[in-house]
Amino acid sequence: EDKVVQSPLSLVVHEGDTVTLNCSYEVTNFRSLLWYKQEKKAPTFLFMLTSSGIEKKSGRLSSILDKKELFSILNITATQTGDSAVYLCAAHSYNQGGKLIFGQGTELSVKP
Amino acid sequence: NAGVTQTPKFQVLKTGQSMTLQCAQDMNHEYMSWYRQDPGMGLRLIHYSVGAGITDQGEVPNGYNVSRSTTEDFPLRLLSAAPSQTSVYFCASSSTGLVPQHFGDGTRLSIL
Repeated sequence: EDKVVQSPLSLVVHEGDTVTLNCSYEVTNFRSLLWYKQEKKAPTFLFMLTSSGIEKKSGRLSSILDKKELFSILNITATQTGDSAVYLCAAHSYNQGGKLIFGQGTELSVKP
Repeated sequence: NAGVTQTPKFQVLKTGQSMTLQCAQDMNHEYMSWYRQDPGMGLRLIHYSVGAGITDQGEVPNGYNVSRSTTEDFPLRLLSAAPSQTSVYFCASSSTGLVPQHFGDGTRLSIL
């Protein structure tokens, strides 16, 4: 059975800290790994990773994929209170028309 | 603003009632999908569509029907509501496959 597991499930840090969020996956016909940020309402797209070892960056956020060990990490440096959100990881499969399998999410709280 | 619009935002139903959750997008995206989000379980795919007139089942389709008569609209119908369908429902669209690019703000549904 395909599955995606995120850790930790929740995390509390202070502004300025650096955090690392983890995502491991077991998915047949793996295609890509995606990260989303979900604040109060709709998830918003952060990154899509398809190749191992190539870091993607957007400001203070970066992510990398390891297709051999089947995991990805999302790093956030110099955290701000606006980074408080649930971060969702999803594995994209070629199966079933290209379905996404989501992890449970990591709830990040950044304190001033 | 352009994007994915879901209505209603909140709904309370009694067991056995039926209802339709509406989803509309104005970006001319071919791909649309419905997810439900439950605590501790991430997002799970209910149904998806790769274009007008074409729909297919996702991971948790039982108790739900969809249709896609136009590119813009993708309604989700609950046939006979059950308490297990209490959840937050998200509609998503994409121009490049089933990786959601845009999510609606969600419909919070409670079944009593």
